[in-house]
Amino acid sequence: DIQMTQSPSILSASVEDRVTITCRASQSISNWLAWYQQKPGKAPQLLIYKASSLQIGVPSRFSGSGSGTEFTLTISSLQSDDFATYYCQQYNSYPYTFGQGTKLEIK
Amino acid sequence: EMQMVESGGGLIQPGGSLRLSCAASGFAVSYKYMSWVRQAPGKGLEWVSIIYSGGTTYYTDSVKGRFTISRDISKNTLWLQMNSLRVEDTAVYFCATSEGYFDNWGQGTLVTVSS
Repeated sequence: DIQMTQSPSILSASVEDRVTITCRASQSISNWLAWYQQKPGKAPQLLIYKASSLQIGVPSRFSGSGSGTEFTLTISSLQSDDFATYYCQQYNSYPYTFGQGTKLEIK
Repeated sequence: EMQMVESGGGLIQPGGSLRLSCAASGFAVSYKYMSWVRQAPGKGLEWVSIIYSGGTTYYTDSVKGRFTISRDISKNTLWLQMNSLRVEDTAVYFCATSEGYFDNWGQGTLVTVSS
């Protein structure tokens, strides 16, 4: 199975900060990577697919990059609505696997 | 608008069976790849199973031989039959449309396996 490791696990930041979350795969997954945002008690929401493609309706302050084994999710200017938990997910091969999550907290 | 509503969760004893349903609207489940994803309380996300539009299925190792994914085209519903349930199967179960990534999700249904 492909292991996905996110860092950091917890990130404290302020509104208007630029933040970056990293996701590393245990083997190359090309660009078959997605990012999700999840708020408490809600289903995850797709933000980015194919490493850097922005899902329809997602604000342009979210961006993704990377290929192979290292990927990043960047939020260019944090808004209050962005404080949530973020997950990466590989879909290169079965079983599909997720990172352990990064909780983005208000500083 | 694409919408999915899960149901069928509840409290069940270890070794028991439960069938989850995911009622879809705004699209045909037969034309989409559909997955189940679960989340144990306070934990991360775990992919469980997928069914292709052609009917091919895949499962994560921990549920192989115990869970079965299927769909009812006449009811436009996705199912997850769960047998031989274990305490570690306790989770919120989400259905989702799947292009590899999961682009549309239901609200989830909670399954609690406990004696």
